[in-house]
Amino acid sequence: EAQVTQNPRYLITVTGKKLTVTCSQNMNHEYMSWYRQDPGLGLRQIYYSMNVEVTDKGDVPEGYKVSRKEKRNFPLILESPSPNQTSLYFCASSAGHFYGYTFGSGTRLTVV
Amino acid sequence: GEDVEQSLFLSVREGDSSVINCTYTDSSSTYLYWYKQEPGAGLQLLTYIFSNMDMKQDQRLTVLLNKKDKHLSLRIADTQTGDSAIYFCAESSSYNTDKLIFGTGTRLQVFP
Repeated sequence: EAQVTQNPRYLITVTGKKLTVTCSQNMNHEYMSWYRQDPGLGLRQIYYSMNVEVTDKGDVPEGYKVSRKEKRNFPLILESPSPNQTSLYFCASSAGHFYGYTFGSGTRLTVV
Repeated sequence: GEDVEQSLFLSVREGDSSVINCTYTDSSSTYLYWYKQEPGAGLQLLTYIFSNMDMKQDQRLTVLLNKKDKHLSLRIADTQTGDSAIYFCAESSSYNTDKLIFGTGTRLQVFP
């Protein structure tokens, strides 16, 4: 089944403790992206990647890092999480704008 | 800048038609999308429309695009309780067509 898999689904952590949210797609998509969803703000793009080793900042990149060493994986790294990063995170991949995005099921992160 | 706006809530009776509206600012957008988000799930692409089209119909869904007013709408005919979800309008960025700008989402509630 074609899908985008994120892990974990839920995560509660403490301020300052580094964490990684994994994202993997099995559709051989070149384009991958991370979004965060907050009430009243819709989805905002954090980082995106056009292909292996090609990443760029989205609209809200502060406090986040990404890497794209392989085509299928696009992990999101929070080096020192803070409470304002409490949010619902989505990874998505695309074969091109004609096809739209395929989204993962989301990761709900709480930073206390 | 690029911005997409939607009303936050819509409530309809089962069997009626629902119309969800969206306005966008980037007149150069090539593609416009409608996504559906069910509780606890990621976003699912419902339909899209090219900017050179006025209308697109897909079973119970009708998308209308008014480029002059930068207005997009999604009509759901014979709305069912299973249509209850959050609906996001999105436009492709004119400088990066693989990047999507999302609206805040409209929560559709269908009551019997």
